Amino acid sequence: AQSVAQPEDQVNVAEGNPLTVKCTYSVSGNPYLFWYVQYPNRGLQFLLKYITGDNLVKGSYGFEAEFNKSQTSFHLKKPSALVSDSALYFCAVFPIKAAGNKLTFGGGTRVLVKP
Amino acid sequence: DAMVIQNPRYQVTQFGKPVTLSCSQTLNHNVMYWYQQKSSQAPKLLFHYYDKDFNNEADTPDNFQSRRPNTSFCFLDIRSPGLGDAAMYLCATSLRLAPTDTQYFGPGTRLTVL
Repeated sequence: AQSVAQPEDQVNVAEGNPLTVKCTYSVSGNPYLFWYVQYPNRGLQFLLKYITGDNLVKGSYGFEAEFNKSQTSFHLKKPSALVSDSALYFCAVFPIKAAGNKLTFGGGTRVLVKP
Repeated sequence: DAMVIQNPRYQVTQFGKPVTLSCSQTLNHNVMYWYQQKSSQAPKLLFHYYDKDFNNEADTPDNFQSRRPNTSFCFLDIRSPGLGDAAMYLCATSLRLAPTDTQYFGPGTRLTVL
């Protein structure tokens, strides 16, 4: 089965400290991987995606993510977190060989950045 | 700016009273999706349109229907809302049905069922 997991329900970090949100995947073949952020009562905003090529992907708002095939991970990172980064983050995978062309989301990780 | 728009942002309906949620897009994308999201959980895909071709997810209840009269608009109809249908409904679009294509989401409609 194709799946993606976010092992942490919540991540707390002090403003100015590095932020990491973890994501691991389990798919057949190579995956396409996405990160989205959701602010309260808002839709999902696209941050970045990995398709192929460089394992380090840079995205919006200073976020980046590293694709690690051997560890089947795609962790989201930001060198210096802001209070405004407090939100719900979703990792998603689109397996190349999936039936139905379905984007599969992880359970989400709530990030709280404290001043 | 090109975008995905959902109206209304908040919708209150009564148990069993039909309700329609609206989505429009200025991206000129071929694919439009409807997702249901409960209590900050992962969004759950209900169905999508690729142009005029409708694709229903196997576990989407019959109570949920959709219409896409043209490229720009897509509607979600809930024929007889139950209390369990209270959720955030998200519309999304993508240029194609390719796995490399990013899905762009609207702001969502929060549905309350009384």
